[in-house]
Amino acid sequence: KQEVTQIPAALSVPEGENLVLNCSFTDSAIYNLQWFRQDPGKGLTSLLLIQSSQREQTSGRLNASLDKSSGRSTLYIAASQPGDSATYLCAVNRYSGGGADGLTFGKGTHLIIQP
Amino acid sequence: DADVTQTPRNRITKTGKRIMLECSQTKGHDRMYWYRQDPGLGLRLIYYSFDVKDINKGEISDGYSVSRQAQAKFSLSLESAIPNQTALYFCATSDTTGSEETQYFGPGTRLLVL
Repeated sequence: KQEVTQIPAALSVPEGENLVLNCSFTDSAIYNLQWFRQDPGKGLTSLLLIQSSQREQTSGRLNASLDKSSGRSTLYIAASQPGDSATYLCAVNRYSGGGADGLTFGKGTHLIIQP
Repeated sequence: DADVTQTPRNRITKTGKRIMLECSQTKGHDRMYWYRQDPGLGLRLIYYSFDVKDINKGEISDGYSVSRQAQAKFSLSLESAIPNQTALYFCATSDTTGSEETQYFGPGTRLLVL
């Protein structure tokens, strides 16, 4: 059974710092990995998706890397801003013949950026 | 208008009642999913559907059933609600015709079972 772990569970940093969120998964046979953002009481917003054959993806100040063989991914946030405060979720998708099936999620990293 | 909508957004019901949560999407995606989110447990997959004729159980399907009425509609039913089904429920969609299969989530339905 796939298990996804995110470290740290919570993080508080001053505005402007660069930071790294970590995600690890136990089964390397993944189809893709997705990073999401969730604001309190809200739904999930997809940030980045990395295919199993890719090493990294970038979107603006966000960069996600994937090392499938070691079961690890990182989300790098550059020049953090108070608006980045949210819970960040990592999720992996398993391949099931016809394509990717449902995601297995980590429990998230609760991020606070102090003004 | 939102691409993935869920109704109702909030629901309070009593133990033993049958309820249905509905999900609609305008993204034209073929795959749809139901997840629940509990504090401390994260999001877990309940059911997923590859198309109208294909329904699959997820990690925690016991106590739930689903119906894919059309490509755009996927409903989740609790036949006899119990308090430990109190949770935040999310519907999601993805598109297998593309190369990425990013999942897009609805705004969620907050369910309280008394």
